[in-house]
Amino acid sequence: EPEVTQTPSHQVTQMGQEVILRCVPISNHLYFYWYRQILGQKVEFLVSFYNNEISEKSEIFDDQFSVERPDGSNFTLKIRSTKLEDSAMYFCASSEPGGGLGNTIYFGEGSWLTVV
Amino acid sequence: SQQGEEDPQALSIQEGENATMNCSYKTSINNLQWYRQNSGRGLVHLILIRSNEREKHSGRLRVTLDTSKKSSSLLITASRAADTASYFCATVNSGNTPLVFGKGTRLSVIA
Repeated sequence: EPEVTQTPSHQVTQMGQEVILRCVPISNHLYFYWYRQILGQKVEFLVSFYNNEISEKSEIFDDQFSVERPDGSNFTLKIRSTKLEDSAMYFCASSEPGGGLGNTIYFGEGSWLTVV
Repeated sequence: SQQGEEDPQALSIQEGENATMNCSYKTSINNLQWYRQNSGRGLVHLILIRSNEREKHSGRLRVTLDTSKKSSSLLITASRAADTASYFCATVNSGNTPLVFGKGTRLSVIA
């Protein structure tokens, strides 16, 4: 079964450093998402991406964050100048055309980011 | 704000018993999806139910949706130790906004 893959599975970074989390969505999907889950808390929406641009973003997704689809397969989340409170599991997700209008959203295994 | 909230927060049952988890939300939805998460792992999609559907089945899973009460339930029949996980409901509203997750129910199935 096709799956969303994410790398790295775990990254430790110094506060203030830049981090790039990578994702390969399912190949025929056109909608892409990033979510995060701080330890012990609920899964929070960060950003959705369609047709090479951000379609929606949450209040969490401030200027510190950016997303990019650098080629036909990868979807990246960049966090500039990381803060301690950015420590979380970051999930990439994708869905078929039609997006949230009724299609299943598939998640990757997550990238666990620890900021020290 | 639209939000799925699961109930109970934690549930402990014996293997073979049925587990029922409930989810409530606040605004109209297009669909509601249930996910499972094993500790420290990714979110595994279980079932999607659309707003015009009332019940769906998938193996040992049964999901109901009551849009008048803005609630959904997930029933796992004949539970197994491997069903031990956190279960989340997530909603999509009519405006095509992304999934909004609840806090989840932690299910423990004791062998």
